[in-house]
Amino acid sequence: RKEVEQDPGPFNVPEGATVAFNCTYSNSASQSFFWYRQDCRKEPKLLMSVYSSGNEDGRFTAQLNRASQYISLLIRDSKLSDSATYLCVVNIVGGFQKLVFGTGTRLLVSP
Amino acid sequence: NAGVTQTPKFQVLKTGQSMTLQCAQDMNHEYMSWYRQDPGMGLRLIHYSVGAGITDQGEVPNGYNVSRSTTEDFPLRLLSAAPSQTSVYFCASRPPGLDYEQYFGPGTRLTVT
Repeated sequence: RKEVEQDPGPFNVPEGATVAFNCTYSNSASQSFFWYRQDCRKEPKLLMSVYSSGNEDGRFTAQLNRASQYISLLIRDSKLSDSATYLCVVNIVGGFQKLVFGTGTRLLVSP
Repeated sequence: NAGVTQTPKFQVLKTGQSMTLQCAQDMNHEYMSWYRQDPGMGLRLIHYSVGAGITDQGEVPNGYNVSRSTTEDFPLRLLSAAPSQTSVYFCASRPPGLDYEQYFGPGTRLTVT
């Protein structure tokens, strides 16, 4: 079983739609959680951290359910510029605090 | 402030050749890592370093060496290139701690023929 699992998509949505991505992780010792965004042929960049209480940044809302080992990302009012791959990332506590990346969910927003 | 820089951006090697991918960061980050990204596999950790003079293996270290003589630089050496090492390689850096952002370089696209 992969440490971090995501639906690869692609999710095809029209502009203005609301879309949700899910991610599950297997290591219950995981301590911190993130969503990164990766544009085609570019490096990943941090979109937002994910906290147990849930957090929002503009049109983006992230949720964490530690009991179910589940992370979500909700994007409201999708823009063409949101088209990218979204990577779920988990920080495993240990000597190095390893970051484990999901394979990513691809989002395509169309006019 | 350039962040994380990598050279070269593209490289084609023949099987058996060796080369070094360069990585540098100007943010004084202690932690640096090398990843490879392949379709359907996500980012996989090759080697990492928690500070100058300290390196360790990640999940896919075979065929690669690293060294960390300074805080800024973390080169990745391919000892004898194989077609299985065709990939996109990303270098990254971050401060130690659970909640810090990891910064990535722009990547090196390597093809081994």
